[in-house]
Amino acid sequence: DAGVTQSPTHLIKTRGQQVTLRCSPKSGHDTVSWYQQALGQGPQFIFQYYEEEERQRGNFPDRFSGHQFPNYSSELNVNALLLGDSALYLCASSGTGAPPYNEQFFGPGTRLTVL
Amino acid sequence: QQQVKQSPQSLIVQKGGISIINCAYENTAFDYFPWYQQFPGKGPALLIAIRPDVSEKKEGRFTISFNKSAKQFSLHIMDSQPGDSATYFCAASIEDSSYKLIFGSGTRLLVRP
Repeated sequence: DAGVTQSPTHLIKTRGQQVTLRCSPKSGHDTVSWYQQALGQGPQFIFQYYEEEERQRGNFPDRFSGHQFPNYSSELNVNALLLGDSALYLCASSGTGAPPYNEQFFGPGTRLTVL
Repeated sequence: QQQVKQSPQSLIVQKGGISIINCAYENTAFDYFPWYQQFPGKGPALLIAIRPDVSEKKEGRFTISFNKSAKQFSLHIMDSQPGDSATYFCAASIEDSSYKLIFGSGTRLLVRP
């Protein structure tokens, strides 16, 4: 089991550009959550996808959007990049139900740098 | 109300000592409290978690103490080892919010040999 995988590992973009980050969940998991982790801070919840729909959303602008595919993999899209979007973007996958089935397993993240 | 406050920001402990990290929350609806360990360049990894119906949970050298009335919980690392040097995050979540995790700001632990 490869666990949660994310691509790319690192990404450098300029202000105003758009970016797409990808996540493959752990085998057997059907729920994907995305988090933004600024340097020296705890991860902040962006949104969660289940059954190809956005189920929960954190306090992030509409520039942040996502998608979940039938195979449960997911994409995070960020439009009109700002310098403040520079962060580590983490994907977490989980199963359905109460703990421990809902425990979130994190991928290694994608480090996004906006210049 | 959605915040989880974590302290200290950083901690230095000698090998064999006890590391203690504290967290406090306001929202009494939180019903699941995990702790995550993160090494540089890696994603957070679940260490141990507790639900509010118990006051303590122990797994190996790691113990969570939970005080529901004070709305506080803490992580104790017994016999701390240099390999425990990492950043630790407490978190909280609510079943009705699909268990989205609200993280503390993190504690950078350094265990000296």
